[in-house]
Order: sequence, then C-alpha cells, then structure tokens
Amino acid sequence: DSGVTQTPKHLITATGQRVTLRCSPRSGDLSVYWYQQSLDQGLQFLIQYYNGEERAKGNILERFSAQQFPDLHSELNLSSLELGDSALYFCASSLTADYEQYFGPGTRLTVT
Amino acid sequence: DQQVKQNSPSLSVQEGRISILNCDYTNSMFDYFLWYKKYPAEGPTFLISISSIKDKNEDGRFTVFLNKSAKHLSLHIVPSQPGDSAVYFCAASDRGGSEKLVFGKGTKLTVNP
Repeated sequence: DSGVTQTPKHLITATGQRVTLRCSPRSGDLSVYWYQQSLDQGLQFLIQYYNGEERAKGNILERFSAQQFPDLHSELNLSSLELGDSALYFCASSLTADYEQYFGPGTRLTVT
Repeated sequence: DQQVKQNSPSLSVQEGRISILNCDYTNSMFDYFLWYKKYPAEGPTFLISISSIKDKNEDGRFTVFLNKSAKHLSLHIVPSQPGDSAVYFCAASDRGGSEKLVFGKGTKLTVNP
C-alpha cells in the first residue's frame, strides 16, 4: 500500500459526459501528479500540482482540468469524453521533486 | 519523440538467475532515474532510484547502474524470484526543470520456477 488513494476504482460512462477522478496523496506529500496509461502506451504525464499551485503541464487535453485543494487532495476533471479517453488514470505524490513519486492504484475509465 | 526507451518488451529468466533490464535515454538534462514495478490492476511501485552523480545504487537484490556517457541505465535483480514477475518501467526526470517523470514503455519480466 503506497498510501495514495484514488476513487473511484472503475468508471464506465458514455461519450460526451464529464467525470471527476479523485486522489488523496500520502500524508505529508505536497506534490500531486496525474498520469494516463492507454492501451499499449507507457505512462504519460498530464499535470502536476505543488501545495495547491499548478507546477507543470504535460500532454493534457484542453477538455481535461485538475486542481489541488487546501487539504492537498486533487481532482482530475475530464469533460466531453471520447472513446479514446478510455485509459487508466494514475495519481502519484511526492514530498518534493527530490523524492520518488508514489503511485495510487489507479482509476480505470471506460468510455462507451 | 521517445526520450526514455526500453527496447525489450519482454524478458524471461530462470529462478535464481540474474535478470538485467535495460533503459536508454536521450535527454542529457535528466538527472534522476527510477525503476518502478507494476503488477496488473495495480499502480506502479517504486523500486530503486539513482541520481546522476552516482553510477551505482544497491538495495538488497536490486542494483541500478548508470552510464551517463552512454545515456544508459540498467536494473539487475539477483537472484530472480517468481514474485519478481511484473512489468518494469524505467523513468527519468530533470529535477532542475520540470519535475515530471518521463516513462519508458516497460519490460515484462517473467521469472520461471
């Protein structure tokens, strides 16, 4: 158990819909990262927050957004969903950039 | 443009032997490298890391070697155990720039009893 929690574990929704994925980092970690793993793809970095502020952006679509709240949990919002958005979405946390990232169990999103 | 490459999609070894997983990178700004292990339906689990100021880091059965001039790192598992069977991801970051991890596509290791 990494100490990072993600909910829900599975999500099935239709095209055009909007969903919210939630992540609680390990106690004490200030950085939260979101990654997407599609079929046959490695983990692709989406976005990072540090202590409530956006720190870095990766290959995140404009239809996707995220935020980190004062209690340091984070939410990833995916809207106008397309079939190609079906993937595993992982959240990771670390104390700072100098420390390894610990991953949650992921949310499997299926868009039908 | 894949900055971190794991050229072997799979590797099979016998229990008790050495497993060597390889990783190449192209970005000379990377200064921190990590290996993660991933079982199906679980998140990646951190295994071991190495800073660019070192060329070797050891933790129990796991050793990571870094060759900066060749932009190559490897993970050695000795002795290999059936429970080591998983997908292994190499990752790199430029801690002076973006803190994101750039992952390879993974190598599936199978350790046969």
